[in-house]
Amino acid sequence: DAGITQSPRHKVTETGTPVTLRCHQTENHRYMYWYRQDPGHGLRLIHYSYGVKDTDKGEVSDGYSVSRSKTEDFLLTLESATSSQTSVYFCAISDPLAGGPGELFFGEGSRLTVL
Amino acid sequence: SQKIEQNSEALNIQEGKTATLTCNYTNYSPAYLQWYRQDPGRGPVFLLLIRENEKEKRKERLKVTFDTTLKQSLFHITASQPADSATYLCASTGANNLFFGTGTRLTVIP
Repeated sequence: DAGITQSPRHKVTETGTPVTLRCHQTENHRYMYWYRQDPGHGLRLIHYSYGVKDTDKGEVSDGYSVSRSKTEDFLLTLESATSSQTSVYFCAISDPLAGGPGELFFGEGSRLTVL
Repeated sequence: SQKIEQNSEALNIQEGKTATLTCNYTNYSPAYLQWYRQDPGRGPVFLLLIRENEKEKRKERLKVTFDTTLKQSLFHITASQPADSATYLCASTGANNLFFGTGTRLTVIP
């Protein structure tokens, strides 16, 4: 298995509070991604990083920010959590192929509930 | 962006038969497509990648096809087993991203 861990695995929080999810890899992969998975929507990209301090938005980035200060860590922050951000969040890592990202290795997910 | 459609939300099949899952993309022709397996409560796991210029790819009991004319990929599991029961996700490449379908939940009945 790819060395990728997410923390926390479960979190319950209240509307308006800040939340940070952490993704840590030991594989030295260049690309790191944050996805959210919701019933009926599949996996949707929030933000991704293609190198240290290099990040870009995905299709559902509103209300989220990210930071990558080291190759191995990618943080996802919800500045002020809302109930619509209740979801399962997956971190993934990959190296690029010609034409796009190579196979993604996913973490086990972080289940966030915003009350 | 790309839209991925996996037409069957759920598919039930008898053990030993071949399961066929469909994935359609609607916009540009991707450089390649990927297929993943996801078990309940777990992250997706990569299965196969097929490039635009490949018609077919095989790995053990798995076979994937890529038809750029139909804008479609088919995923086959031959001699299906109850252990193959899971949700299968199709993904299309973007510039630095994968666009995922909502998945097909396969149940193999003993």
